[in-house]
Parts: sequence; C-alpha cells; structure tokens
Amino acid sequence: QQQVKQSPQSLIVQKGGISIINCAYENTAFDYFPWYQQFPGKGPALLIAIRPDVSEKKEGRFTISFNKSAKQFSLHIMDSQPGDSATYFCAASAGNQFYFGTGTSLTVIP
Amino acid sequence: NAGVTQTPKFRILKIGQSMTLQCTQDMNHNYMYWYRQDPGMGLKLIYYSVGAGITDKGEVPNGYNVSRSTTEDFPLRLELAAPSQTSVYFCATRQGEGGYTFGSGTRLTVV
Repeated sequence: QQQVKQSPQSLIVQKGGISIINCAYENTAFDYFPWYQQFPGKGPALLIAIRPDVSEKKEGRFTISFNKSAKQFSLHIMDSQPGDSATYFCAASAGNQFYFGTGTSLTVIP
Repeated sequence: NAGVTQTPKFRILKIGQSMTLQCTQDMNHNYMYWYRQDPGMGLKLIYYSVGAGITDKGEVPNGYNVSRSTTEDFPLRLELAAPSQTSVYFCATRQGEGGYTFGSGTRLTVV
C-alpha cells in the first residue's frame, strides 16, 4: 500500500517552463512534507520542505503548494533549467518514519 | 565534512552469499535509516534506529539485519542473498524534525 502517491511518473518540460509534480496522501497524522532531488548515481538530497500549518513555501525557483483539506501537495519549479533534470521524490512523515512517493523523472529540454 | 559514507559503492553477490553494507556518519545524528530503491518503486524503509542500541523494522525487513552499537555506525547485514535483493541501498541520517541526509548508495546485484 503506497502511503504517498506521486504523479506523473515522468515529465518533459522546455527550458524556461514550469514543472509541476503532484503528491497525495491519506494519513492525516503526517506533519512534515519534504521534496528530494536525486541525480543519477547519487543519493537523494533535500530540496524543500513544508509543514501543514502553511499553504505555500518558496525557495528560489522552487515552491511547495500544500492543500490540507484535499491532502495534496505539489512542487512547482519555475523557469525550469536543463540542470534541473533529475528524479524528484515527495515524502511524508509522522514520527520516526518517512514514506516516499515513487518518483518523477524530470527532463528539461534546452 | 564527510556526512554519510557508504561502502562499498558496488557489489555483485552470488545467491546464498552474505555481506555487510557499511554506513557511517560524522554528524552525531541520532536517527539512522536503511532504504532500498527499486525502479518505479521509490524508496522503501528496511530498518531504522533512533539511537545506539535501538533498532526497529521498517516496511521491508525480511532478509536483512542491522545493529547499532555506536552513534556513528549502522551496518546492514544480508544473509543468504537472493535475486530479489538486487537493488540500490541508501543509508540516511536525521536530526530532530528535519529532513534526511542520504549517503551516495550501494548498488548490489545478486546473481
């Protein structure tokens, strides 16, 4: 049973465009929602995270939008660049354990 | 500033062999985790530890064992390797309520 459902599985975006990745969850006990970026051959790296008491968090070109009532959150990458091409994972946690989405492979075309 | 160090980076095992994946951290983080990553499946938690001497099972613990004798080290033991254990294994640490710091992974193939 997948605790966090992520879509799409893959995404192709033109340079300068907006990349949007969505995640949904069911467990209302989740209280921390991070996004990780992973390049080939590397471990995932924390990109940005949000807690459910805010609806949006922005760090540079990366924004998390959080909809508590719908139990959904999304990552927006503005002005997408070829260097953003990577796999992105959403996650949710309550207590000691994190649950990860299945990942989105993003390709930004020059 | 090493962070989380995993060894080896690559390994090929024969069915039935055993091995230990090493993970060490220099950040003095209490929480340590082992995940496996399979294509299209995301990351699945194998075992985790909230401090030295304390370990607990995650989602997919069968076929694995761990120990945590020190804050720094959290080795993962595979006994009687099976093809289903072919995967990329990541160790991660966490301090407080923040996110994880991952190692660079161990790519294991069981043939």
